Formats: sequence, structure tokens, C-alpha cells
Amino acid sequence: DAGVIQSPRHEVTEMGQEVTLRCKPISGHDYLFWYRQTMMRGLELLIYFNNNVPIDDSGMPEDRFSAKMPNASFSTLKIQPSEPRDSAVYFCASSLGRGPYEQYFGPGTRLTVT
Amino acid sequence: ELKVEQNPLFLSMQEGKNYTIYCNYSTTSDRLYWYRQDPGKSLESLFVLLSNGAVKQEGRLMASLDTKARLSTLHITAAVHDLSATYFCAVDIMNRDDKIIFGKGTRLHILP
Repeated sequence: DAGVIQSPRHEVTEMGQEVTLRCKPISGHDYLFWYRQTMMRGLELLIYFNNNVPIDDSGMPEDRFSAKMPNASFSTLKIQPSEPRDSAVYFCASSLGRGPYEQYFGPGTRLTVT
Repeated sequence: ELKVEQNPLFLSMQEGKNYTIYCNYSTTSDRLYWYRQDPGKSLESLFVLLSNGAVKQEGRLMASLDTKARLSTLHITAAVHDLSATYFCAVDIMNRDDKIIFGKGTRLHILP
């Protein structure tokens, strides 16, 4: 298996622009997680899905952030409009079943908002 | 709310020395995970500990779990420079949720 795939790997955009990050989980995994990592705040869970359904979005910082999972093999995290404080590395991870919940992380998308 | 605390958060040590990273958590769990993150890279799973007294070893790294003390340790034996990385522990809050809670990570720098 190719592992969790994320695109793009790097994104540089201007403040106010829409940003869409993409994730393909490991085939057969039924949980998908979106994290954000910064030096100041560390690793933060933004939202996670089970069987394509959002379960907990309490970590989404504000309404500018939205996430979807239209099918088992694809998810998006959208920021609209983007702000400089959104600059971070965004990771997608997936896991299988009802536990143990060992998560497999994608390579991440490094987002820079100028 | 489950809290996961690691210490130390930063550690600089010389090659050849032994050291231990500690991971304390605040509620009942018997599932704990250790991850490694190299600078600029993603998180890689190291160990999955699934019961009290579980011990896993790979190379110079050994992880253990004491569920009664709510404590896991990651022991480094005769450190080498290649082990320089950030190490995260994460805890599964078991049957109340489907996510795992990460500690803040321990940044380990091993001096040659």
C-alpha cells in the first residue's frame, strides 16, 4: 500500500485566498483524521471521520475551516478565506477499526499564507 | 478530559548515554502509542502498547506501560545520533471516543 497520500505537499498563498488540502487514506481504513502542527501549539486534532461521517469537529478553529469526506478514499480540508495565522503543517492520518487506534500519518502539507 | 504529559520536553544528550522519556496520562487507559517525528517529516509509529506491563523493544529503544501508574516510558540505550528526533506518546481514551490524545512531544538531540 502507498500509505496515506496528501496533496499538495507545499502551498503558498496570499491572505484571503481559498486553500484546499487533499487526503487519500490507506485503503480499507475507516477512520480519517486531520491535524495541524505548529511550533507554538504543537499537534492539534481538527476533525475526524468514521465511515465518511464527521464525528468530532470541535478542533476546527473557526468557520473559515471546513472538511468533507465524500467517499472512503478521499477527504478535503478547506480554508476560506485564509489568514497568515493558518500557516502550519497539516497532516492527514487514517486508522482501522474500533481499536487499537494506531494512526498512520501522511507526509503533510506545509501551508504558508502571506 | 484526558491529559497526556511528557517530560522532559527537550533533551540534549551525548552519544553512548542512556536516558528515559516519561509519559503520564490522567485517566484509565491500557492502550498507548509512541511515535517518532524527524525534522520536517511526518509522524511514524514506533510502538503500540496494549496492556498493563507491556514491553516492546526495537534496537536501542524500549517502551513499557504501567496502567496502574498511568505511566509509559521510552528508554534509550547507548544513544546514537540517528535517534535525534521528536518523540510523541498518545493515549487511547477507550470506548468513549475513537481518537487518541497526543502529548506535546519530547525533542531529543543527541550530540556526537
